[in-house]
Amino acid sequence: KAGVTQTPRYLIKTRGQQVTLSCSPISGHRSVSWYQQTPGQGLQFLFEYFSETQRNKGNFPGRFSGRQFSNSRSEMNVSTLELGDSALYLCASSATEGEGTIYFGEGSWLTVV
Amino acid sequence: QKEVEQDPGPLSVPEGAIVSLNCTYSNSAFQYFMWYRQYSRKGPELLMYTYSSGNKEDGRFTAQVDKSSKYISLFIRDSQPSDSATYLCAIRGAGGTSYGKLTFGQGTILTVHP
Repeated sequence: KAGVTQTPRYLIKTRGQQVTLSCSPISGHRSVSWYQQTPGQGLQFLFEYFSETQRNKGNFPGRFSGRQFSNSRSEMNVSTLELGDSALYLCASSATEGEGTIYFGEGSWLTVV
Repeated sequence: QKEVEQDPGPLSVPEGAIVSLNCTYSNSAFQYFMWYRQYSRKGPELLMYTYSSGNKEDGRFTAQVDKSSKYISLFIRDSQPSDSATYLCAIRGAGGTSYGKLTFGQGTILTVHP
């Protein structure tokens, strides 16, 4: 069974640009969540989608957004990139929303220069 | 005060040692407890999942939860150099505000030397 797949794995962007990251959850999983990992702040929750609806949101500015498609695949977008957005962005999936295990992908490494 | 506190280490042990990793949490609404292992430049890998107080064993790993003390532990027996990684505790609550949301500890860096 394939795991959570994220693309691209590595990318470099310039301040002010925008970026879109993609995530395919484990087959059959309907809940997709996104996290940001930095050395200083650790792993922080961005948002969660279920049945194409954002169901939960962390404490990030509106520049961070996402969506989920009918096949459960998800994308997240960061607009007007800042240097501080450089991080590992992790996608995770679970079969249900409120309980059960959450599995992570390998992440997308974003560097903003 | 952070919702989940974890000693960042680093922790260095000889091969074959028993390793104890610990986290404390403050929110009694937390109900599900996980341990992840993360190798450098990789995503977190789920090691253990539990939702009740007590012990859960899986091979060389034992997860222990004490809800009354808000304390969770991961024990690694017969540690191997391949166990060298960052270990993260992660906790989630129940209900709408917890959908998809894990609250992580800071992670403990473990090195097992031959």
